[in-house]
Amino acid sequence: AQTVTQSQPEMSVQEAETVTLSCTYDTSENNYYLFWYKQPPSRQMILVIRQEAYKQQNATENRFSVNFQKAAKSFSLKISDSQLGDTAMYFCAFMKQINYGQNFVFGPGTRLSVLP
Amino acid sequence: DARVTQTPRDKVTEMGQEVTMRCQPILGHNTVFWYRQTMMQGLELLAYFRNRAPLDDSGMPKDRFSAEMPDATLATLKIQPSEPRDSAVYFCASGRGQGFEAFFGQGTRLTVV
Repeated sequence: AQTVTQSQPEMSVQEAETVTLSCTYDTSENNYYLFWYKQPPSRQMILVIRQEAYKQQNATENRFSVNFQKAAKSFSLKISDSQLGDTAMYFCAFMKQINYGQNFVFGPGTRLSVLP
Repeated sequence: DARVTQTPRDKVTEMGQEVTMRCQPILGHNTVFWYRQTMMQGLELLAYFRNRAPLDDSGMPKDRFSAEMPDATLATLKIQPSEPRDSAVYFCASGRGQGFEAFFGQGTRLTVV
């Protein structure tokens, strides 16, 4: 079974600074998808960014970018110019296609606090 | 603005009672996931459906939990009888295609006393 590890239970960053959240995963698959989701105190799960494993180019969405290292099975999230609204739990997730369905597992999360 | 709708948003019930949680996936989405979130276990995948057929419910306690999709617009998760250890936030998510973005509902916070 696939596993997703986030080794930083909690992190903090000053407003306007840059922070990187770590994620590693374990799989023997070659084709899969990786995601970062954000869960603010409202508890709504919001997609931050998505990466297809067959694409070498790292995904970017405004202030959010990833460093995808397929051989190392690493998928870190970089948040630039941190804002107070970025305070949330961040979950790394792995998805692969199996037969006629998907296997979609989440890491334990990293609680990020952006400090004024 | 398409969204996944879950009801109820919050539910408090007594141990032993039946609980039904409902999810309306986004129109056109053919895959539905049920997750349970707790502080101790994080996000656990309970079950998922594709084209209304259950593909995997191995994460679900079979003796008391059941999940169904009576039609394409409704997914249900039932717990009977409920126990205090079932207290958690239950999320439904839907998507379409391969490697899709899963859209989550706002969750049902269940408290069993």
